[in-house]
Amino acid sequence: SQKIEQNSEALNIQEGKTATLTCNYTNYSPAYLQWYRQDPGRGPVFLLLIRENEKEKRKERLKVTFDTTLKQSLFHITASQPADSATYLCALDAYSSASKIIFGSGTRLSIRP
Amino acid sequence: EPEVTQTPSHQVTQMGQEVILRCVPISNHLYFYWYRQILGQKVEFLVSFYNNEISEKSEIFDDQFSVERPDGSNFTLKIRSTKLEDSAMYFCASSKETGVQETQYFGPGTRLLVL
Repeated sequence: SQKIEQNSEALNIQEGKTATLTCNYTNYSPAYLQWYRQDPGRGPVFLLLIRENEKEKRKERLKVTFDTTLKQSLFHITASQPADSATYLCALDAYSSASKIIFGSGTRLSIRP
Repeated sequence: EPEVTQTPSHQVTQMGQEVILRCVPISNHLYFYWYRQILGQKVEFLVSFYNNEISEKSEIFDDQFSVERPDGSNFTLKIRSTKLEDSAMYFCASSKETGVQETQYFGPGTRLLVL
């Protein structure tokens, strides 16, 4: 069956450290993968998109990697801050569809001062 | 910066009642979407809409659900006869184009509670 799994429900790290979140998928062949941030009671906010032919993408303190052999994406936040505390969702296209995005269940990241 | 807006922010209804959730997508966007998120669960795709018709829908989007763009700005989701399990956060999203190069912009959501 098709699955998207994010490595842990919750991750708690010290301010200033690098947070690394994992997204694994099975029985999908996505053309791209996206990462979103979701704060409690709010809608997802797009952060980064990486295509299947890209290995790495960066935006300020964020870095995403995409390994189609391992069927995995890693999402890094360097120099983490308490304001980075949120739930982070990975999402991919269903490939059979141009418009349907499938979300993972998310990892709740807490950055302690 | 342009935003997707949704009304109401909260809706409480009795089981069996009809509800209409409203969204105003970003003005130059052409593709519109509805998602739902049951408390503590993942965001789930319901339907995509383009050029006044449904492009794609999920198995969740059964005959109880319908979508409409009644005028040039609003995009609505109607649930004809609500069930307890329809209680969830409903998110509208929009995008300029569709396909791998595009991202979707989400609204703040409507929290629906069916009693």
